[in-house]
Amino acid sequence: KNEVEQSPQNLTAQEGEFITINCSYSVGISALHWLQQHPGGGIVSLFMLSSGKKKHGRLIATINIQEKHSSLHITASHPRDSAVYICAVRSPYNTDKLIFGTGTRLQVFP
Amino acid sequence: DTAVSQTPKYLVTQMGNDKSIKCEQNLGHDTMYWYKQDSKKFLKIMFSYNNKELIINETVPNRFSPKSPDKAHLNLHINSLELGDSAVYFCASSQDLPWVGELFFGEGSRLTVL
Repeated sequence: KNEVEQSPQNLTAQEGEFITINCSYSVGISALHWLQQHPGGGIVSLFMLSSGKKKHGRLIATINIQEKHSSLHITASHPRDSAVYICAVRSPYNTDKLIFGTGTRLQVFP
Repeated sequence: DTAVSQTPKYLVTQMGNDKSIKCEQNLGHDTMYWYKQDSKKFLKIMFSYNNKELIINETVPNRFSPKSPDKAHLNLHINSLELGDSAVYFCASSQDLPWVGELFFGEGSRLTVL
């Protein structure tokens, strides 16, 4: 079992819908990253958080350290949000590495 | 200006050849990384350099050799290419010590070994 699990693996939505992608991890962490991989392959870092909540535009990321769970929310989704979203965690015991989830493929249709 | 740039973006080559992928970052970051993304889209760390010093060297065949001439550059050289080396290779950078800050990725280099 992967130390970082994401759900769902695939997600389709209609434009305008509210989207939630979940990330659960089984190790203690010091930080969690959310990344976005575009259909063309490029990867962009969306958030790095270690507690609470962060917001950038229509994207919101939350983390609950006690429950070992993070969510990425997209409000008013748009076809350009179609991408793979990847969760990655950094262990405080091995700060040199990130452990990646397998990603959630999101497709937003007009 | 592109923050992290990789070249080439696409590389098609025959088995047994030697090839290099170059990476440059203009962010002033101290740490750079090479990741491999396999066919299942899973990202795996290969190497990390901090201020030109190798700090992460995962279980990667020694046919792969990173080289960091200065902290703004981290190149990946691959000898005797094999079919299983086909993947997308991503370069990334972050400020200060590994993983302390946000990661900035290059666009990726798709390597196809025939």
